[in-house]
Amino acid sequence: ELKVEQNPLFLSMQEGKNYTIYCNYSTTSDRLYWYRQDPGKSLESLFVLLSNGAVKQEGRLMASLDTKARLSTLHITAAVHDLSATYFCAAPDSSNTGKLIFGQGTTLQVKP
Amino acid sequence: NAGVMQNPRHLVRRRGQEARLRCSPMKGHSHVYWYRQLPEEGLKFMVYLQKENIIDESGMPKERFSAEFPKEGPSILRIQQVVRGDSAAYFCASSPDHFTEAFFGQGTRLTVV
Repeated sequence: ELKVEQNPLFLSMQEGKNYTIYCNYSTTSDRLYWYRQDPGKSLESLFVLLSNGAVKQEGRLMASLDTKARLSTLHITAAVHDLSATYFCAAPDSSNTGKLIFGQGTTLQVKP
Repeated sequence: NAGVMQNPRHLVRRRGQEARLRCSPMKGHSHVYWYRQLPEEGLKFMVYLQKENIIDESGMPKERFSAEFPKEGPSILRIQQVVRGDSAAYFCASSPDHFTEAFFGQGTRLTVV
């Protein structure tokens, strides 16, 4: 059974700093998703990583996937307050139905 | 092309009442997934449906919960005799097939009082 774990679960950082959120998953998966969720809102798709070594960047966020290590990272560069949100990673399970298994989420708080 | 539409956005029910949550998928999408998000937690899969069929309901509680996706109309998640522990945000997502990324609706926030 696929398990997805994120760390840290909570991250408080100063504006301008860099940090990385880690997402480990327990069994083979051919893709990995990153989402952002603001309080009381839905999930906004950030990245879909489809292959080993995939790297995608959007603004101050960069995501990567290492399928051999079963690890994805979300790197934040020079954080700004607007990035404060909860970030989830998710992977499809082996049933091939498209259902996603989510990590617990990482709540990011960027202080001015 | 409107996104995935869920209604109501907020629903308050007293213990013992029934809750009906609706999800209209994006145009052309015939696959619907329901997820539940308890406070301060990640999303947990509940059920996967295609038109008129339940494909995977492995995440549904055994009692009081049911889901359908009729040939016409929205998908419905029904919770009978709600209890306080059912208070959560319920999200649906739709996709055109099981290997394309699904898009999420805005969610229905159910509060049981």
